[in-house]
Amino acid sequence: DQQVKQNSPSLSVQEGRISILNCDYTNSMFDYFLWYKKYPAEGPTFLISISSIKDKNEDGRFTVFLNKSAKHLSLHIVPSQPGDSAVYFCAVSSKNTGNQFYFGTGTSLTVIP
Amino acid sequence: DAGVIQSPRHEVTEMGQEVTLRCKPISGHNSLFWYRQTMMRGLELLIYFNNNVPIDDSGMPEDRFSAKMPNASFSTLKIQPSEPRDSAVYFCASSPLMNTGELFFGEGSRLTVL
Repeated sequence: DQQVKQNSPSLSVQEGRISILNCDYTNSMFDYFLWYKKYPAEGPTFLISISSIKDKNEDGRFTVFLNKSAKHLSLHIVPSQPGDSAVYFCAVSSKNTGNQFYFGTGTSLTVIP
Repeated sequence: DAGVIQSPRHEVTEMGQEVTLRCKPISGHNSLFWYRQTMMRGLELLIYFNNNVPIDDSGMPEDRFSAKMPNASFSTLKIQPSEPRDSAVYFCASSPLMNTGELFFGEGSRLTVL
């Protein structure tokens, strides 16, 4: 049972353009949402997060949007840079389930120079 | 400040052998997680500990898998006997108990079972 789904395994974007990565979750009890970035041969690293009381959180070139009614979140990267090429995982958690974090299958982003 | 340390980074073994993966969490972090990364399922949570106590092991695939955390600075994930379908990258992560939602991952242990 996948609690979190990332339906696009890969995405290619031209440098300077916007990258949009999408994520859907199944359970409305989740109240904290995160994006992680992973380079080859490294562990995932935290990128940006949003709690369920907000619908947008921005950090530099990265913005996460949350649509609670649709159980959908997205990560926007603008402008995209070649160094952004990596696998992006979305993750969800809930205070009600303690410290459990559920991750999606990841989207591999390639930013073409 | 050292991050999460995992060993070995790479392990190649034959089917039926015992495999032990090790993890040292960040000092002061009270929660420790074991994840497995595969193409089909992404990052799967196998088990996590709070204050060295296993809280949820429902993600452990079967009885061949076991995990221990004998103290706050060390955890092991053991597979006995190993099978080719166990081949994956295994990540350990830690976080403070009352955390902001951020996990700190190690670099992973890539396991290949022939």
